[in-house]
Amino acid sequence: GNSVTQMEGPVTLSEEAFLTINCTYTATGYPSLFWYVQYPGEGLQLLLKATKADDKGSNKGFEATYRKETTSFHLEKGSVQVSDSAVYFCALIKMKTSYDKVIFGPGTSLSVIP
Amino acid sequence: DAGVTQSPTHLIKTRGQQVTLRCSPKSGHDTVSWYQQALGQGPQFIFQYYEEEERQRGNFPDRFSGHQFPNYSSELNVNALLLGDSALYLCASSQGGSGNTIYFGEGSWLTVV
Repeated sequence: GNSVTQMEGPVTLSEEAFLTINCTYTATGYPSLFWYVQYPGEGLQLLLKATKADDKGSNKGFEATYRKETTSFHLEKGSVQVSDSAVYFCALIKMKTSYDKVIFGPGTSLSVIP
Repeated sequence: DAGVTQSPTHLIKTRGQQVTLRCSPKSGHDTVSWYQQALGQGPQFIFQYYEEEERQRGNFPDRFSGHQFPNYSSELNVNALLLGDSALYLCASSQGGSGNTIYFGEGSWLTVV
């Protein structure tokens, strides 16, 4: 079946450090890929998305590239801030067959210290 | 333009009781999905409603049921609550199904004691 795997956390970084959170997926066909962010005590917010191979999603300094050959969608940011502390979820949707049913990874907790 | 709104935000129930959670989708959206997020885990799909009918369902027991009203708002009902039902319940809405951006609400925190 369809699934998403993420690197285990928690991840702790100093402010202005480089961030990478690894994400790989298993799915038949061509899913759309997403990163969602959940700040403490809040719901989910869409951070970025990519709908086809080699697409790069970007938002708020975060980037992720849809790599079909490695079935990956790693999240990167060049310089993290304390305000980026949150839980990050990689997710996929099998378009046209699953009517917007989102399959989430387990989440990676990020703490950025001053 | 209000986004997805959920109520209540927090509630505490006793084992064996029943609970109803409510969701109003984003304006213009006709599809509502419900997810359960246990502490420290990713959200798990419960079911989805479209045109007032359950269109697809995740791996959840029949104790979990729902409804969608003509104005597209939705309810999630859980009967015979178990301690393991304690979680954040998220509502998501979208328009027309496949291919459109999905918006999530802030969630309802349910604690079963």
